[in-house]
Amino acid sequence: AQSVAQPEDQVNVAEGNPLTVKCTYSVSGNPYLFWYVQYPNRGLQFLLKYITGDNLVKGSYGFEAEFNKSQTSFHLKKPSALVSDSALYFCAVRDKSGNTPLVFGKGTRLSVIA
Amino acid sequence: DSGVTQTPKHLITATGQRVTLRCSPRSGDLSVYWYQQSLDQGLQFLIQYYNGEERAKGNILERFSAQQFPDLHSELNLSSLELGDSALYFCASSPRTGITYEQYFGPGTRLTVT
Repeated sequence: AQSVAQPEDQVNVAEGNPLTVKCTYSVSGNPYLFWYVQYPNRGLQFLLKYITGDNLVKGSYGFEAEFNKSQTSFHLKKPSALVSDSALYFCAVRDKSGNTPLVFGKGTRLSVIA
Repeated sequence: DSGVTQTPKHLITATGQRVTLRCSPRSGDLSVYWYQQSLDQGLQFLIQYYNGEERAKGNILERFSAQQFPDLHSELNLSSLELGDSALYFCASSPRTGITYEQYFGPGTRLTVT
């Protein structure tokens, strides 16, 4: 069965500093990986995805993520955090090989402090 | 704005009652997904419909059912409600059923069972 782990419930970073939100996954085959963001009282918004190709994926709002197959990780990064990036971030995975649903991690709350 | 609409925004009801949540997908999207988000369980996939047909089933209780209508809107029916059913219910849509497609989420319906 596929699963996603987001090891940090909360990440705090100062505005202007780089940020990383961690995600590791487990699938039986090759993964499709996604990051979503949820602002208060809103639905999830798609940020970026890894399907195939370049391991470094660029997405919305200056975010990027690096797929690392050997470490089964897909960490979300941004070079310079903004206060407006404060939100709940979800990593999600699907197995390429089957008709399985998207499985989400528990989420990581990012707090960017001015 | 994702283009996915959900009604109602809030719903308060008593245990044992039945409610219907409604979702309209983005224009042109054929696939609709339902999720339940609670503090203890995180974001759980319930069920997926594609062009009117049930496509995948997740952790959906027997007391819950869903359908997708010819105009592609979907309804999630929750019956014999229990206190533990209190949660945010999200609908998401995607253009097809292919697993590479990202999903677009509605703003959610907050259900409170008293």
